[in-house]
Amino acid sequence: KNQVEQSPQSLIILEGKNCTLQCNYTVSPFSNLRWYKQDTGRGPVSLTIMTFSENTKSNGRYTATLDADTKQSSLHITASQLSDSASYICVVSARGVPRGSYIPTFGRGTSLIVHP
Amino acid sequence: NAGVTQTPKFRVLKTGQSMTLLCAQDMNHEYMYWYRQDPGMGLRLIHYSVGEGTTAKGEVPDGYNVSRLKKQNFLLGLESAAPSQTSVYFCASSSGQGITDTQYFGPGTRLTVL
Repeated sequence: KNQVEQSPQSLIILEGKNCTLQCNYTVSPFSNLRWYKQDTGRGPVSLTIMTFSENTKSNGRYTATLDADTKQSSLHITASQLSDSASYICVVSARGVPRGSYIPTFGRGTSLIVHP
Repeated sequence: NAGVTQTPKFRVLKTGQSMTLLCAQDMNHEYMYWYRQDPGMGLRLIHYSVGEGTTAKGEVPDGYNVSRLKKQNFLLGLESAAPSQTSVYFCASSSGQGITDTQYFGPGTRLTVL
């Protein structure tokens, strides 16, 4: 069964500090890995996406890494802001049926709270 | 360009009642998805569609039906609601083009079944 595990479950940091969120997965056949940000009461919004051949991808203060050999990914947030308070969700997609479709498996998310 | 919209935003049902959730997208996307999100759990795929007139089961399809009669709309139906279907429902759409295809999510529908 495809699984995506995220850690920590929750994290509290002070504004301006950096943090790193972790994602481990067992998804096959692997297609891509995304990180989403979900604000309270809103739908998830894509931050980064990486395929098998990519090992890092940045989006502003967000940097995602992927180690396809160990099946691990991390999301690093630099110089955190109050607006970074949200749930961060790791999503790994497998190639699905019909051909060309991609079936996502979602992690439970890491809840990040940034305090002033 | 409204993106992905969902109707209604909130709904309370009694056990056994039926209802339909509507998802609409104006991005001309081929793929559409319905998810449910429960506390402490990741989003789980209920059903999805890879084009007008086609649907497929996801991870948790039991108790739900879907229809994609028009490309821009994806309907999720509950024929006989149960308390276990209390959840937040998200619709998403994507172009379906390539492995870096990104899903765009709607704002969600909060459903309570009493």
